[in-house]
Amino acid sequence: ETGVTQTPRHLVMGMTNKKSLKCEQHLGHNAMYWYKQSAKKPLELMFVYNFKEQTENNSVPSRFSPECPNSSHLFLHLHTLQPEDSALYLCASSRQAHDEQFFGPGTRLTVL
Amino acid sequence: GNSVTQMEGPVTLSEEAFLTINCTYTATGYPSLFWYVQYPGEGLQLLLKATKADDKGSNKGFEATYRKETTSFHLEKGSVQVSDSAVYFCALIWAGSYQLTFGKGTKLSVIP
Repeated sequence: ETGVTQTPRHLVMGMTNKKSLKCEQHLGHNAMYWYKQSAKKPLELMFVYNFKEQTENNSVPSRFSPECPNSSHLFLHLHTLQPEDSALYLCASSRQAHDEQFFGPGTRLTVL
Repeated sequence: GNSVTQMEGPVTLSEEAFLTINCTYTATGYPSLFWYVQYPGEGLQLLLKATKADDKGSNKGFEATYRKETTSFHLEKGSVQVSDSAVYFCALIWAGSYQLTFGKGTKLSVIP
């Protein structure tokens, strides 16, 4: 596989469920990102990891919990989500800060 | 703060028409500028970039020139195809930063 992959591509969950989104990059990059894309809103940066260390958390609610075990893998753990959390969640990676970011295909999340 | 403003969509063009999608930014200094494209059901793909004033980014027939004097980075293509139908995002990033600032996106539909 090449580029940035995300699983699952689609996820439907209830408000009491716990689920995780997975992202893997095969580009040898050092930084990884989670974005949220909602209808009619600009893309929102959620978290940034550089060399496995979290460098940014843009006031994201604690029901979203990121994990970065190594520079190639990034997870987003979800629990007790709300219907307004339904969105496309995009993972991205870059070689370093301010470089172009390469995006995965996204996970389409629906919270019932 | 930083912001990116794109022309409102949707934009509908006939095949082989000329395309311009306007993008202006508000920032102090000289960020790097990008155009990303998102095809239906997919993540974002980098289309082109420019890192300093007067640079011209180009790819797949698309072009954009970094205009410092007008703080603009307009996307152009001389002859669009049906396969160009997608959402186009203008974005900027500062040296040393991980934060990409995106515009709201412009949806382009090309009809045969």
